Amino acid sequence: KNQVEQSPQSLIILEGKNCTLQCNYTVSPFSNLRWYKQDTGRGPVSLTIMTFSENTKSNGRYTATLDADTKQSSLHITASQLSDSASYICVVSAAMRFGAGTRLTVKP
Amino acid sequence: GAVVSQHPSWVICKSGTSVKIECRSLDFQATTMFWYRQFPKQSLMLMATSNEGSKATYEQGVEKDKFLINHASLTLSTLTVTSAHPEDSSFYICSAREGGKNTIYFGEGSWLTVV
Repeated sequence: KNQVEQSPQSLIILEGKNCTLQCNYTVSPFSNLRWYKQDTGRGPVSLTIMTFSENTKSNGRYTATLDADTKQSSLHITASQLSDSASYICVVSAAMRFGAGTRLTVKP
Repeated sequence: GAVVSQHPSWVICKSGTSVKIECRSLDFQATTMFWYRQFPKQSLMLMATSNEGSKATYEQGVEKDKFLINHASLTLSTLTVTSAHPEDSSFYICSAREGGKNTIYFGEGSWLTVV
């Protein structure tokens, strides 16, 4: 069983709408959690990185939350744009345990 | 921002030959580099972690004699796919972490096609 589970597997939304992606993990020990955006055929680009003591972190229209007690994180995208269409990957700890990603499609 | 460069971006090689992929940190010293493989529509799979000057640590199921990793300097790591077969065709990505820092930067990836 993967130590990092992401949901949903895929998501289609209309441009301008908000969405929230989920990441649940069982990785231990925990040091940090990262969210990346990966366009098809490109390398991942870092969105946020959170340590144990951080509950929320924003990067423009992206806001990540972390609940270290329940081992859950979310990535909220506000006012989606067509360019947000990509895979969003949750990565936990220095061990670099990857979730399978959520493939987001933003339609006009 | 920090940049990690991979070369080549894409390569086609004949079955049975070896191919080398380079990963360079352009403006920082990467004490740790990671190599991943990604098949179409699947997540990145960590292959190995390498620390400068040390032997790479391979993930379970990854053949260290087939995927040779060298991290001889603080700015360069190489992945050599030896005796490549068509099933090795994949997207290979590296990432690098600067010593003492949390942020990890990814390269743009290298497409390998073995024919």
